Amino acid sequence: GAVVSQHPSRVICKSGTSVKIECRSLDFQATTMFWYRQFPKQSLMLMATSNEGSKATYEQGVEKDKFLINHASLTLSTLTVTSAHPEDSSFYICSARTAPAQNGYTFGSGTRLTVV
Amino acid sequence: DAKTTQPPSMDCAEGRAANLPCNHSTISGNEYVYWYRQIHSQGPQYIIHGLKNNETNEMASLIITEDRKSSTLILPHATLRDTAVYYCIVRVLSGSARQLTFGSGTQLTVLP
Repeated sequence: GAVVSQHPSRVICKSGTSVKIECRSLDFQATTMFWYRQFPKQSLMLMATSNEGSKATYEQGVEKDKFLINHASLTLSTLTVTSAHPEDSSFYICSARTAPAQNGYTFGSGTRLTVV
Repeated sequence: DAKTTQPPSMDCAEGRAANLPCNHSTISGNEYVYWYRQIHSQGPQYIIHGLKNNETNEMASLIITEDRKSSTLILPHATLRDTAVYYCIVRVLSGSARQLTFGSGTQLTVLP
């Protein structure tokens, strides 16, 4: 089945530094990918929709200059958390649509970001 | 997408069937019922989906009431590895890519 690979699975960074998270579709092309954030004991919240070859669409309240999204190819989307602060510590998950029907959505395994 | 209501938590004995309910009283005729689950610290995993007929696959069964206002996900023989948060999502089967909107889900704990 379709696989979305997300890397790294865990990262610890110092406050003020930037962190890049990669999301790759391994055996299919994904023109659209989604980035979610999940705080402890909460549900997934959509941050942005990443479109290949165009600008990402951000949800209300998500700072586009802080969470940089690049979707330069049909198999790779990246999320860069710039000038990270402890409140950015969270579980980040990407998702891609794999088919026009049925389940259609495959998720990465997530990235646990801890900012110290 | 129609709103869904799920109990926050449920327990189930290992080896027994786990029945997870979902209410979606405002569902419209072209909206499907999807179920995903999220094991701790992992990405969500698709389980099953259906429109109005009952569905079964290798993971679970989905029972949708005749009026489609509620559904039940059945894990026939729950194992400890089925401990996860289960999300019921109602949405149209769109030709374009739209995000999935997750509610709070049901934390299923399978007890030994």
